[in-house]
Amino acid sequence: EADIYQTPRYLVIGTGKKITLECSQTMGHDKMYWYQQDPGMELHLIHYSYGVNSTEKGDLSSESTVSRIRTEHFPLTLESARPSHTSQYLCASSELRQRNIQYFGAGTRLSVL
Amino acid sequence: AQKVTQAQTEISVVEKEDVTLDCVYETRDTTYYLFWYKQPPSGELVFLIRRNSFDEQNEISGRYSWNFQKSTSSFNFTITASQVVDSAVYFCAPVGQGAQKLVFGQGTRLTINP
Repeated sequence: EADIYQTPRYLVIGTGKKITLECSQTMGHDKMYWYQQDPGMELHLIHYSYGVNSTEKGDLSSESTVSRIRTEHFPLTLESARPSHTSQYLCASSELRQRNIQYFGAGTRLSVL
Repeated sequence: AQKVTQAQTEISVVEKEDVTLDCVYETRDTTYYLFWYKQPPSGELVFLIRRNSFDEQNEISGRYSWNFQKSTSSFNFTITASQVVDSAVYFCAPVGQGAQKLVFGQGTRLTINP
């Protein structure tokens, strides 16, 4: 059973607003990830972190930013939301001791009007 | 770098039929791992299996089974006696030994009709 939580589950917001998508895990995992997924499409890695104060950009370029100040928390921020940011955002975490299996949160469905 | 091809974009079967989802991968790593995830309509990804490249033994877990053929770079997934609750999008994802990043294909949307 994965203990990784994302809030909000759904978010509808206007263009130009600043938003933060929250992701928290209680498993003590050192690695965390953000994926972006358009409906019916594959997941693309946009950010990842291998530990506190470590963040890297993923394979898909994203205007979002992330931070990792605490092990359990990996928020994603969009400074100025645009309709092109409309998508589902999935957070995951993993740990070497758990065979690096990535466990996913329920996702945040973002709609920017 | 890894690449995965799930050629079947959509499959629709009647409940209780067996169904096989194909996965073909490409990798330059000699040691790697292969994953299958299930994404039900609710949206989250559910881990199903992790397989090491050096372990070619097939695996069975209840109604699920996996056939790993290293010679053809395939890691196919079979559901026996399918049920409506199996309806979901299924993703196969390879990752190299030293890397942590899963590479997802477009997935296969499986619909089980009652």
